[in-house]
Amino acid sequence: ETGVTQSPTHLIKTRGQQVTLRCSSQSGHNTVSWYQQALGQGPQFIFQYYREEENGRGNFPPRFSGLQFPNYSSELNVNALELDDSALYLCASSIRGAGARGTDTQYFGPGTRLTVL
Amino acid sequence: DQQVKQNSPSLSVQEGRISILNCDYTNSMFDYFLWYKKYPAEGPTFLISISSIKDKNEDGRFTVFLNKSAKHLSLHIVPSQPGDSAVYFCAALWIGNEKLTFGTGTRLTIIP
Repeated sequence: ETGVTQSPTHLIKTRGQQVTLRCSSQSGHNTVSWYQQALGQGPQFIFQYYREEENGRGNFPPRFSGLQFPNYSSELNVNALELDDSALYLCASSIRGAGARGTDTQYFGPGTRLTVL
Repeated sequence: DQQVKQNSPSLSVQEGRISILNCDYTNSMFDYFLWYKKYPAEGPTFLISISSIKDKNEDGRFTVFLNKSAKHLSLHIVPSQPGDSAVYFCAALWIGNEKLTFGTGTRLTIIP
C-alpha cells in the first residue's frame, strides 16, 4: 500500500506566476485536504475535496483553487502568486466515514516547498 | 486568531524520562483532538487522538489527557526515546467540520 505522494518536492516561482501542485492519495482514500504551512507555523487548512466536490474551505482567497479527479488524486492551483505564498504545501488523504463523522484520520504527504521570488 | 495554542516552542528531555507537551484551545466547539509528529522533510504523522467525551486515551508509550473545563490537553510520552525527537503538533476539529486546526508546534529534543 503506497502512502500519500506529492509532486514536485520543491518549486521556485516569481511573483504573479501561476503554480499547480499535485497529490496522489493513499490507496482507498476518497477525501483529500490541502494545507499551507508557513515557516514557524502550524499547517493552515486551505480546502477539502470529497467525490470531486469542494467540501469545506479555510480563509484563503479564490486564487487558491483545487481539483479532485475520479481516481481521487488532486491538484492545488494558485494564481497570481504573492511573496507570502512561499510555504510548505501539504496534502492529506482520508476515508470519509471511516471514523465518526468529521474524525476521519488524515494521512499527510511529505509536502511541496514553494518559494516565490 | 490562534484557536489552538502550543506555548512552548521547544522542549528538551533526557532519554528515559517523561516528555509532557501541552496544548490549549479557545474554541469550545472543538470536540475531537489529535496529536501529529513531524520529522524534517516529511509530512505530519498521526500519533494519537481523543474525543471530548473522554479525559484520557492511551496507546503504548503515548497518553493524551483532556481537561475540557480548562480547554487544555497534554501529550505524555514515557519513556522518551531518541526517535521521539521531532516537532509535535496539536490539532482540533469539531465533528461535522472537516477542517483540522493546528497549533504552531513544539520541537521535542530527546537527549541521550
